[in-house]
Amino acid sequence: NAGVMQNPRHLVRRRGQEARLRCSPMKGHSHVYWYRQLPEEGLKFMVYLQKENIIDESGMPKERFSAEFPKEGPSILRIQQVVRGDSAAYFCASSPLQGDTGELFFGEGSRLTVL
Amino acid sequence: QQQVKQSPQSLIVQKGGISIINCAYENTAFDYFPWYQQFPGKGPALLIAIRPDVSEKKEGRFTISFNKSAKQFSLHIMDSQPGDSATYFCAASPSTGGFKTIFGAGTRLFVKA
Repeated sequence: NAGVMQNPRHLVRRRGQEARLRCSPMKGHSHVYWYRQLPEEGLKFMVYLQKENIIDESGMPKERFSAEFPKEGPSILRIQQVVRGDSAAYFCASSPLQGDTGELFFGEGSRLTVL
Repeated sequence: QQQVKQSPQSLIVQKGGISIINCAYENTAFDYFPWYQQFPGKGPALLIAIRPDVSEKKEGRFTISFNKSAKQFSLHIMDSQPGDSATYFCAASPSTGGFKTIFGAGTRLFVKA
């Protein structure tokens, strides 16, 4: 059973370009969460999605950032007009709809560098 | 209300010693308290977790102590090993209706051989 798959693992963008990060949850998981980790810092919640629905985007910057989890295909975190401060590791996690625990299963992250 | 406060920021322990990391939360809606372990370049992975109906949970060398009235919980790593060197995150979430998890700032543990 494949784990959470994120790609690309590393992404370099120049200021003003767009970054698209993709996440395929574990098989059977219907919840997806995106977190941002700045160097030497913790994991900051960004957004929580279910298929075709954004459940909680309270951690997402109001401008330039958007996320989706379509009926078919991976979840996508999109950052428009990137700035240097967007450089970070972006982690996706998934969980099942029902479960005995609240465990999140994380991918290995996408590391964005903005030049 | 949504914060989880973690300390210390970093910790150096001698091999065989006990590592202790502390966390505190505010939101009483949280009812699931996991600890995640993260190695450099990797994603976090669940290490051990506890619910507030018990005061302690032990799995091998790892123990969580939970104080519901104080809204505090801690991770104890007994007989710490160099392979335990990693960043540890405490976290809190509701366990129904989705598992939006709030993480502490992390503790970088280094176990000296």
